[in-house]
Amino acid sequence: DAGVIQSPRHEVTEMGQEVTLRCKPISGHNSLFWYRQTMMRGLELLIYFNNNVPIDDSGMPEDRFSAKMPNASFSTLKIQPSEPRDSAVYFCASSGNRGDTGELFFGEGSRLTVL
Amino acid sequence: AQSVSQHNHHVILSEAASLELGCNYSYGGTVNLFWYVQYPGQHLQLLLKYFSGDPLVKGIKGFEAEFIKSKFSFNLRKPSVQWSDTAEYFCAVNAQGGYQKVTFGIGTKLQVIP
Repeated sequence: DAGVIQSPRHEVTEMGQEVTLRCKPISGHNSLFWYRQTMMRGLELLIYFNNNVPIDDSGMPEDRFSAKMPNASFSTLKIQPSEPRDSAVYFCASSGNRGDTGELFFGEGSRLTVL
Repeated sequence: AQSVSQHNHHVILSEAASLELGCNYSYGGTVNLFWYVQYPGQHLQLLLKYFSGDPLVKGIKGFEAEFIKSKFSFNLRKPSVQWSDTAEYFCAVNAQGGYQKVTFGIGTKLQVIP
């Protein structure tokens, strides 16, 4: 079975450019999470969706960040304009139904470098 | 709001040494508890989880963790580590019956020296 699929795996861009990260959750999972991982802050939850609806976006750093989930099989995380401090690995994860124990299945991550 | 505290940020052990990584959580209700492992250059994978029943949970690769409710702790243990256990370990918690929000600790980097 395919796991969580993220693209791109690596992105190098210049400050001010728009960055779009993509995620396809595991089929049948109805919760989707975006995390950011840095050396300084560890793993931070940015936003999570349940049944395509954003439930908690309190972790989104600022207005430059936005996330969408137009359908159950696709989500995007957009940064516009990007800044060097956005450099990090961005992980997408999905999990099953609300009654589940909440085990997360992670994608391989998108490593973003903003110059 | 829930939170997770991991006490050791970097641990160095020799092969065959015993391992214990501390984890404490803060939440007033019933929780599910997890340990995830991230091998170098890879994504996070579930090591073990607790949601009810026997508080001593056994996971993959010889790892186990004990839930002590009175101490709000879920420490990870392994009696004898191997070089291949070199990785970063994350404790995580979510509220039972909630919207699946999972909160992670800062992580503990384990380096096992051959």
